[in-house]
Amino acid sequence: AQSVTQPDIHITVSEGASLELRCNYSYGATPYLFWYVQSPGQGLQLLLKYFSGDTLVQGIKGFEAEFKRSQSSFNLRKPSVHWSDAAEYFCAVGALLTGGGNKLTFGTGTQLKVEL
Amino acid sequence: EAGVTQSPTHLIKTRGQQATLRCSPISGHTSVYWYQQALGLGLQFLLWYDEGEERNRGNFPPRFSGRQFPNYSSELNVNALELEDSALYLCASSRGGSEGTEAFFGQGTRLTVV
Repeated sequence: AQSVTQPDIHITVSEGASLELRCNYSYGATPYLFWYVQSPGQGLQLLLKYFSGDTLVQGIKGFEAEFKRSQSSFNLRKPSVHWSDAAEYFCAVGALLTGGGNKLTFGTGTQLKVEL
Repeated sequence: EAGVTQSPTHLIKTRGQQATLRCSPISGHTSVYWYQQALGLGLQFLLWYDEGEERNRGNFPPRFSGRQFPNYSSELNVNALELEDSALYLCASSRGGSEGTEAFFGQGTRLTVV
């Protein structure tokens, strides 16, 4: 069965500093990988996804992530954090279901706090 | 283009009652997924509907059920509510078949069981 580990429950960075959120996954085949962001009381917004091809993927809001098969990792990065980036971030791995569906297994999330 | 919409935004029920949550997918999407986000348990897959049929379900008891209508909207029913059913219920939609790898989420329904 697939699983996702986000080892950092909370991270605090200063505005303008760089950010890296860690994600490790376990999946038997080539994974579909995602990063979502959730603001308090809100749904999930997709930041970026990896299906195949270039291992460095660009997303919205200046985020990027790098897929490293050898390390089973898909870390999220941003060169310069803005105060509005404060939110909870979820890494997820997708498992294809019979019939073409995609079941997401999420990590426990990383709460990002941005200090002004 | 409208996103995934869920109603109601908040729902308060008494233990033992039934709750009905609704979801309208993005136009052109035929798949609807339901996830539960409970405090301390994280985001867990509940159900997947596609083309009107339940295709897969997560590790939840049968009192969690639902359906998908011909217009692809979906309803999640939770019977015999228990206190631990209190959670944010998120609906997501995607295109069907092999194109259905990217899911878009709604804002969720906050269910509180008292």
